[in-house]
Amino acid sequence: DQQVKQNSPSLSVQEGRISILNCDYTNSMFDYFLWYKKYPAEGPTFLISISSIKDKNEDGRFTVFLNKSAKHLSLHIVPSQPGDSAVYFCAASAIGNQFYFGTGTSLTVIP
Amino acid sequence: DSGVTQTPKHLITATGQRVTLRCSPRSGDLSVYWYQQSLDQGLQFLIQYYNGEERAKGNILERFSAQQFPDLHSELNLSSLELGDSALYFCASSEQGWTNTEAFFGQGTRLTVV
Repeated sequence: DQQVKQNSPSLSVQEGRISILNCDYTNSMFDYFLWYKKYPAEGPTFLISISSIKDKNEDGRFTVFLNKSAKHLSLHIVPSQPGDSAVYFCAASAIGNQFYFGTGTSLTVIP
Repeated sequence: DSGVTQTPKHLITATGQRVTLRCSPRSGDLSVYWYQQSLDQGLQFLIQYYNGEERAKGNILERFSAQQFPDLHSELNLSSLELGDSALYFCASSEQGWTNTEAFFGQGTRLTVV
């Protein structure tokens, strides 16, 4: 049972434009959400997080939005850069528990 | 460098064999998580340990087992290996099991079963 879903396996965006990656979850107990970036042959690296008490968190070019009623979160990257090309995973957890990951979205930023 | 160390980086073994994957968490982290990533799949949670004790179990096969030692390093044991066990195995660690913090991942062990 996939509790965290990323329905777009891939996304291509022109350099300088906005990249929007989406994630849906089913478990209403989730209260902490994270995005990870993964390059080939490397482990996932933490990018940005958001707690359920917020609906937006921003860190430089990266902004995560959380819509609790829709059980949906999204990652916005503005402006997109070629170095952002990677696989992006969203993850969710409830306090003290495991992190559930989505299947990932492969982002390609075209120069 | 995440501070999480996994050894070995690569492992090739035959079906039916047993292997042990090792993970050293970041200094001070009490929780260790094991994940499996098969080809074109997401990260499948296997098991979590917190300060030496099993905290949560995911889709871990009975042929697989893990433990966390007093020095907080963890080992994942895979036995009676099958071709389908070929995957990337990641270990991650986080500060606590109680508070919401990010988990930091190692570079993974690529297991190939032939």
